[in-house]
Amino acid sequence: AQSVAQPEDQVNVAEGNPLTVKCTYSVSGNPYLFWYVQYPNRGLQFLLKYITGDNLVKGSYGFEAEFNKSQTSFHLKKPSALVSDSALYFCAVRDNSNYQLIWGAGTKLIIKP
Amino acid sequence: DGGITQSPKYLFRKEGQNVTLSCEQNLNHDAMYWYRQDPGQGLRLIYYSQIVNDFQKGDIAEGYSVSREKKESFPLTVTSAQKNPTAFYLCASSPYTSGGTKNIQYFGAGTRLSVL
Repeated sequence: AQSVAQPEDQVNVAEGNPLTVKCTYSVSGNPYLFWYVQYPNRGLQFLLKYITGDNLVKGSYGFEAEFNKSQTSFHLKKPSALVSDSALYFCAVRDNSNYQLIWGAGTKLIIKP
Repeated sequence: DGGITQSPKYLFRKEGQNVTLSCEQNLNHDAMYWYRQDPGQGLRLIYYSQIVNDFQKGDIAEGYSVSREKKESFPLTVTSAQKNPTAFYLCASSPYTSGGTKNIQYFGAGTRLSVL
């Protein structure tokens, strides 16, 4: 079965420290992977995607993600966290049978000053 | 949220009542989607439409209905058959659904539906 797992419900990081939000996936065929961010009572905003090419993908707001095929992971990273990065982060993978997105449950990121 | 407008922002439903959530986009996207978001469960697909006058059921279509009479509009009706409708509803659109590298979904600001 195709799926996405975000193993951490919440991640706490001090401002200025590096952050990582974890995502693992299971999909048939080539993985198309996405990260989105959601601020309270708002819709989701696209951050970055991996389709093919370099395993390190750069996106909006200084975020990047590392694709690891052998570990079937697509972890979101940022070298130096900001308080304004506090939000809910979703990982998604494309279901290659119907081209719809399969969503993780989300990880709440809290950056403390 | 630019380009996709959801209304109303808050909606209350009485028992036995049908309610309709509006979603309009001016991005000229072909595909539109409705998701339901519950705490700790991520997004679940209700319905999606790839073209005008055509739509497909998602994972949790029971108790919901949609129409796609215009490219810009994809309203969702929550019927009285949906016994647990309290949730945050998100509408999205994308330029493609059948592969390609541009299948990024753009979201509206959401409608929060509660039962009176």
